[in-house]
Amino acid sequence: SAVISQKPSRDICQRGTSLTIQCQVDSQVTMMFWYRQQPGQSLTLIATANQGSEATYESGFVIDKFPISRPNLTFSTLTVSNMSPEDSSIYLCSVERAAGNSGYTFGSGTRLTVV
Amino acid sequence: SQQGEEDPQALSIQEGENATMNCSYKTSINNLQWYRQNSGRGLVHLILIRSNEREKHSGRLRVTLDTSKKSSSLLITASRAADTASYFCATTQGGSEKLVFGKGMKLTVNP
Repeated sequence: SAVISQKPSRDICQRGTSLTIQCQVDSQVTMMFWYRQQPGQSLTLIATANQGSEATYESGFVIDKFPISRPNLTFSTLTVSNMSPEDSSIYLCSVERAAGNSGYTFGSGTRLTVV
Repeated sequence: SQQGEEDPQALSIQEGENATMNCSYKTSINNLQWYRQNSGRGLVHLILIRSNEREKHSGRLRVTLDTSKKSSSLLITASRAADTASYFCATTQGGSEKLVFGKGMKLTVNP
């Protein structure tokens, strides 16, 4: 199944700044998913990133705050812009494990703390 | 939005005992999946059960699905301290490949 390398694993950032999170997959995938996990909570989908088109954002998430790039079929970035303490969360990317709807592989997550 | 709700929210057991976690969901699904998360790290896929399946096994894991009750259960037999983690159920619905996660359940297995 697909393997994802996610960077950075953690960061502490000043409010008002931006952080870009990268996910590199070891195989070509059509869709990549970005999630947010707030402290003690479950995962919430931020957006779906397709190569060659703009990302599709879920309700409550906007492109200006969470711009996403998908330059090719193995790579994507999520930027958390103009951060505030409320953005402190774990951010995870995900792709299908293999073709045929057999579940999903997740990156190891980026633990973001905004001070 | 969250679809599933795990029950109980937290469970503490002794090594060797079985752990059962339940998940309920609200809408029709394509499949239901269970994931494990250790200490706020990435999620690990455990098992997937399709909407036309009723039971599935994988090693020490047994999952059941009751679509009439919109519920699923995950049984971990002969638990180990290494099973200590948070467990999430997640569903896919309709033609979408998006996962909708439940709230999660924290399992502690005491040595």
